[in-house]
Amino acid sequence: DTGVSQDPRHKITKRGQNVTFRCDPISEHNRLYWYRQTLGQGPEFLTYFQNEAQLEKSRLLSDRFSAERPKGSFSTLEIQRTEQGDSAMYLCASSIIQGALTDTQYFGPGTRLTVL
Amino acid sequence: AQKITQTQPGMFVQEKEAVTLDCTYDTSDPSYGLFWYKQPSSGEMIFLIYQGSYDQQNATEGRYSLNFQKARKSANLVISASQLGDSAMYFCAMRELYQLIWGAGTKLIIKP
Repeated sequence: DTGVSQDPRHKITKRGQNVTFRCDPISEHNRLYWYRQTLGQGPEFLTYFQNEAQLEKSRLLSDRFSAERPKGSFSTLEIQRTEQGDSAMYLCASSIIQGALTDTQYFGPGTRLTVL
Repeated sequence: AQKITQTQPGMFVQEKEAVTLDCTYDTSDPSYGLFWYKQPSSGEMIFLIYQGSYDQQNATEGRYSLNFQKARKSANLVISASQLGDSAMYFCAMRELYQLIWGAGTKLIIKP
């Protein structure tokens, strides 16, 4: 049973560069989420897809951030013109619709971004 | 307003002892779901247990159980017979629409 996978696991970039992360959800999961987690904190919600539709975006997701989920399968998160404040762990999760409150989000290993 | 509060930043527990990790929440919605996750140093967030607001019984999953006190708005995680591999960060989270709202976490260290 393949879990959620994320690539790359680590990314070091210079300020001002663009980066793109990929997330492959558990097959048959139709919901996909992106979170950001800084050191010593709980994750913060960024955005949510149901199939290919992006249904919710956090105010944390500035114009420099964009996410896609073409064909409702894998998803990409792109950060343009990275800033040092973007340094964080980016977590992807997926779930299958069970009920309004009960569908459990399963997480990938995360991508740790360091902006120099 | 903070919706999930975990008051224990860190805990040390002797191996094989039971441990309780505290979580209180704030919501005016009568329907809600509460989750506990474990995050080892490797970074992956691992689902442990779920409690729905209308569930009649406290949730249990192996060595994990949830002490759910609805009137007090608390959902404490109990780990029985702790093991060295239980050392990790533990997060309590509440479902709000599509997203999870997270607490700040508790760092649990199991001593041999």
